Amino acid sequence: ETGVTQSPTHLIKTRGQQVTLRCSSQSGHNTVSWYQQALGQGPQFIFQYYREEENGRGNFPPRFSGLQFPNYSSELNVNALELDDSALYLCASSMAGSLAGFTDTQYFGPGTRLTVL
Amino acid sequence: AQSVTQLGSHVSVSEGALVLLRCNYSSSVPPYLFWYVQYPNQGLQLLLKYTSAATLVKGINGFEAEFKKSETSFHLTKPSAHMSDAAEYFCAVSDLDSNYQLIWGAGTKLIIKP
Repeated sequence: ETGVTQSPTHLIKTRGQQVTLRCSSQSGHNTVSWYQQALGQGPQFIFQYYREEENGRGNFPPRFSGLQFPNYSSELNVNALELDDSALYLCASSMAGSLAGFTDTQYFGPGTRLTVL
Repeated sequence: AQSVTQLGSHVSVSEGALVLLRCNYSSSVPPYLFWYVQYPNQGLQLLLKYTSAATLVKGINGFEAEFKKSETSFHLTKPSAHMSDAAEYFCAVSDLDSNYQLIWGAGTKLIIKP
């Protein structure tokens, strides 16, 4: 069974640029959540996708957007990068959406470390 | 608003000693509670979760946590620390008011002294 994978592992961008981060869910999982983890802090929920539809969103501006594909892989896009966007971005997959997508066990990838200069 | 407080950004214990990591939460409705562990350069792994069944929850690697509603606490314990337990531990809460989104604490780094 393949776990959750994320690419790239590290990324350096400059202010104003755009970035796309990718996540491949664990086999059989139809729900994916994205989190931002700033240095020394806990993760902050960005949004969740269930069967290609956004299923919940945290307190992040619209320049954070996402996609989930029919094979349940996912992308996180961030436009107009700001210095404060520097963080570890985590993707997590689980078996079912709606309530269960949050309370069911989420399986996390190793993350993408984004540095904005 | 929901929140999670983890007391102590760093906790240091000797190998073989009791591990106690503290977590207090705020929630006006019945919560779901979670402990996750994060090893260096790895993703978060679920240790255990409370979902309104038994108040004492047993997890992986010998960890357990007790839900105490009166104290709004969900402290994580392990009777005897191993060197391999060195990692960062996160407590998280989820409830109806947060649309069941996970609200996370800031984490506690567990250091094991030989």
